[in-house]
Amino acid sequence: EAGVAQSPRYKIIEKRQSVAFWCNPISGHATLYWYQQILGQGPKLLIQFQNNGVVDDSQLPKDRFSAERLKGVDSTLKIQPAKLEDSAVYLCASSLEGAKGYGYTFGSGTRLTVV
Amino acid sequence: GDSVTQMEGPVTLSEEAFLTINCTYTATGYPSLFWYVQYPGEGLQLLLKATKADDKGSNKGFEATYRKETTSFHLEKGSVQVSDSAVYFCALSDRGNAGKSTFGDGTTLTVKP
Repeated sequence: EAGVAQSPRYKIIEKRQSVAFWCNPISGHATLYWYQQILGQGPKLLIQFQNNGVVDDSQLPKDRFSAERLKGVDSTLKIQPAKLEDSAVYLCASSLEGAKGYGYTFGSGTRLTVV
Repeated sequence: GDSVTQMEGPVTLSEEAFLTINCTYTATGYPSLFWYVQYPGEGLQLLLKATKADDKGSNKGFEATYRKETTSFHLEKGSVQVSDSAVYFCALSDRGNAGKSTFGDGTTLTVKP
């Protein structure tokens, strides 16, 4: 089966600019996650979708980050305006009905550098 | 809240050495436990999992046993190869919390020939 697709792979922007990331999960996976992975740390959950509804966005910095999942399939994550501390890898993952006993399938991630 | 604590790295071993990476967790419910591996320049891949106490997950020669009494899920491999060089993440999924996962900070393994 096709994996989780993410684009772009790399992005370099100046602080205060905006940026958007795209994710296409595995077909049939109802649950989609965006994680932020800062260098040397484990992934930290930003937002979780179940179909096209938000399940958990408690860790999403809503003053600058936004995310949507159109029609319960593709998802976009946006940062506006970006700060230096947003430099990280943004990982998209999908799973059947939440991680529970299944675990996630991750995409390759988007490495964002804010200068 | 839920948390995962991993053995600090980096870990450097010679080929064919025995590997142990320690992982302990704190959770309010009865979580599923996972090990993920991240090779250079790639995303995380699920390596193995265990969904209940005393379950043993295994894959590619790696094993980990879900120990509820010690809240641990240590990763082991009897004979490592250079190709096992990667970052290893322990994670839990609390089934009572919409299934989201909490990750440790990762342990970097380097295997030298």
